[in-house]
Amino acid sequence: NAGVMQNPRHLVRRRGQEARLRCSPMKGHSHVYWYRQLPEEGLKFMVYLQKENIIDESGMPKERFSAEFPKEGPSILRIQQVVRGDSAAYFCASSPVTSGSGEQYFGPGTRLTVT
Amino acid sequence: AQSVTQLDSHVSVSEGTPVLLRCNYSSSYSPSLFWYVQHPNKGLQLLLKYTSAATLVKGINGFEAEFKKSETSFHLTKPSAHMSDAAEYFCVVSDQSNTGNQFYFGTGTSLTVIP
Repeated sequence: NAGVMQNPRHLVRRRGQEARLRCSPMKGHSHVYWYRQLPEEGLKFMVYLQKENIIDESGMPKERFSAEFPKEGPSILRIQQVVRGDSAAYFCASSPVTSGSGEQYFGPGTRLTVT
Repeated sequence: AQSVTQLDSHVSVSEGTPVLLRCNYSSSYSPSLFWYVQHPNKGLQLLLKYTSAATLVKGINGFEAEFKKSETSFHLTKPSAHMSDAAEYFCVVSDQSNTGNQFYFGTGTSLTVIP
């Protein structure tokens, strides 16, 4: 059973470009979470999605950031018009519908560098 | 509101000596608590979790943690450190609210193991 997959693992963008980060949850998992990790900091929650629905986006910046989890295909985190401050590691996690323990399974992350 | 405080940003131990990584939490609910480990440029791996069962939780690689409600603590311990334990460790509290299992991360403790 493959774990949570994220691609690309490393992404370099110039200021003003768009960044698209992809996350494929574990098989059978329909809950996806995105987190951002700035250097020397812990992970900060960004958004929680289920298939075709955004459940909680309280951690998303108000502008330039968006996320989706379509019926088919991976979840996408999109950052438009990137700035240097967007440079970070972005982690995706997934959990199954009936995860009573609340455990989340994390992907390897995408490291975004904005030049 | 949920939050996690990891009391030490860096811990250094000699190989073969005990490890203690401290974590205190605040939670409005009966919390679920987790410890994750992150090796350099890798994703997060679950070490162990507490979900209102036994207060002493055993995890992988010889780690364990004790949930102490009176002290609101969930410290991570290991009797004998190994070189491969050098990594970043995150204490996490889960808010199992109606909107899902949002995770709150501590800022992390970097463990160095001296040969």
